[in-house]
Amino acid sequence: GAVVSQHPSRVICKSGTSVKIECRSLDFQATTMFWYRQFPKQSLMLMATSNEGSKATYEQGVEKDKFLINHASLTLSTLTVTSAHPEDSSFYICSARQYREPQYFGPGTRLTVT
Amino acid sequence: DQQVKQNSPSLSVQEGRISILNCDYTNSMFDYFLWYKKYPAEGPTFLISISSIKDKNEDGRFTVFLNKSAKHLSLHIVPSQPGDSAVYFCAASAGQFYFGTGTSLTVIP
Repeated sequence: GAVVSQHPSRVICKSGTSVKIECRSLDFQATTMFWYRQFPKQSLMLMATSNEGSKATYEQGVEKDKFLINHASLTLSTLTVTSAHPEDSSFYICSARQYREPQYFGPGTRLTVT
Repeated sequence: DQQVKQNSPSLSVQEGRISILNCDYTNSMFDYFLWYKKYPAEGPTFLISISSIKDKNEDGRFTVFLNKSAKHLSLHIVPSQPGDSAVYFCAASAGQFYFGTGTSLTVIP
């Protein structure tokens, strides 16, 4: 099946700093990429949807200035958490799909803000 | 408003028996449905899908049933194995995908 990678898998950063998470589709061109946040014992929360070459569409309640998403190419999307705070500590998952094919998920990135 | 619902947060099944996971949706425009499996601290993996023109799709031990009149989707796993223990999410699409809240399946050896 299709492979989506995320880097880094784990990151620890200090409060107030920014951290960038990369999401890559390795063997297909992702026309759409999604960013999710996993809260403990809850469903995935869709944060934003990005189409290649377009601005990301953010879900209600997600601060676009805090969570910067760039879908620069058909194989790469980045999520930058700016001025991170401890409450941003979470598991962030990206997914990618080509047109209306199923979404393929990345392995996730565990962010810890100290 | 939750358009895709999984009303059972957890399910326990004996190894070898059938596991049935259920999902209900409200939007009659959904025309594509999927099931994902998720282990802790990993991203969900695609399991099986079905389009609205079908009422059943089978892949090995996994079968998805779609009842459009009831707006109901189910995933059958038979026989269940301990390695099937995970959280299962259903998702529906009419363009954008909407996920349920997941059902945690435990298969008891």
